[in-house]
Amino acid sequence: AQTVTQSQPEMSVQEAETVTLSCTYDTSENNYYLFWYKQPPSRQMILVIRQEAYKQQNATENRFSVNFQKAAKSFSLKISDSQLGDTAMYFCAFMNPLFFGNEKLTFGTGTRLTIIP
Amino acid sequence: NAGVTQTPKFRVLKTGQSMTLLCAQDMNHEYMYWYRQDPGMGLRLIHYSVGEGTTAKGEVPDGYNVSRLKKQNFLLGLESAAPSQTSVYFCASSLMLGSYNEQFFGPGTRLTVL
Repeated sequence: AQTVTQSQPEMSVQEAETVTLSCTYDTSENNYYLFWYKQPPSRQMILVIRQEAYKQQNATENRFSVNFQKAAKSFSLKISDSQLGDTAMYFCAFMNPLFFGNEKLTFGTGTRLTIIP
Repeated sequence: NAGVTQTPKFRVLKTGQSMTLLCAQDMNHEYMYWYRQDPGMGLRLIHYSVGEGTTAKGEVPDGYNVSRLKKQNFLLGLESAAPSQTSVYFCASSLMLGSYNEQFFGPGTRLTVL
């Protein structure tokens, strides 16, 4: 079974600074997908960024980028020029879509990020 | 296009009562999921469905039942609620085909069992 570990329960950073959230995972599979979801106080889960394991290039979405280290099974999220609206819980998630009907997400326990004005 | 909606948003039950949570999606997605979110534990999969008329157990299925009679709806039932089922419940849906299946989430239902 796959496991996802987020070792930072809480983090805080000054507005406009850069912050990196850590995520490690454990799997024996070679083909999989990794995601970062954001959950603001509204509770709505929002996809921030995703990475396909077969791609060596790190995914980027505007101010959000990942550092994907497949051999180390590490998938960190970097938020540049942080904004107050980035305050939220961030969840790392893993999916192994190899088998039909197996497209299930396994989530980490989350990191609560607070952006300080 | 409402995306994924959940009914109700909040509910308080007494131990032993039953209730059904409704999830609806208007994106013609094949897959639908029910998760529960507890403090410090992230989201855990309860049940899921890969198509109309089919359901399967997830990581924490005990005490819950589900039905997918229509493609757009996925119901989560609690036959005899217990305090351990106090949680926030999220429904999600995704396309069946594609290189990866992004899951779209509903706004959640906060359930308290006294």
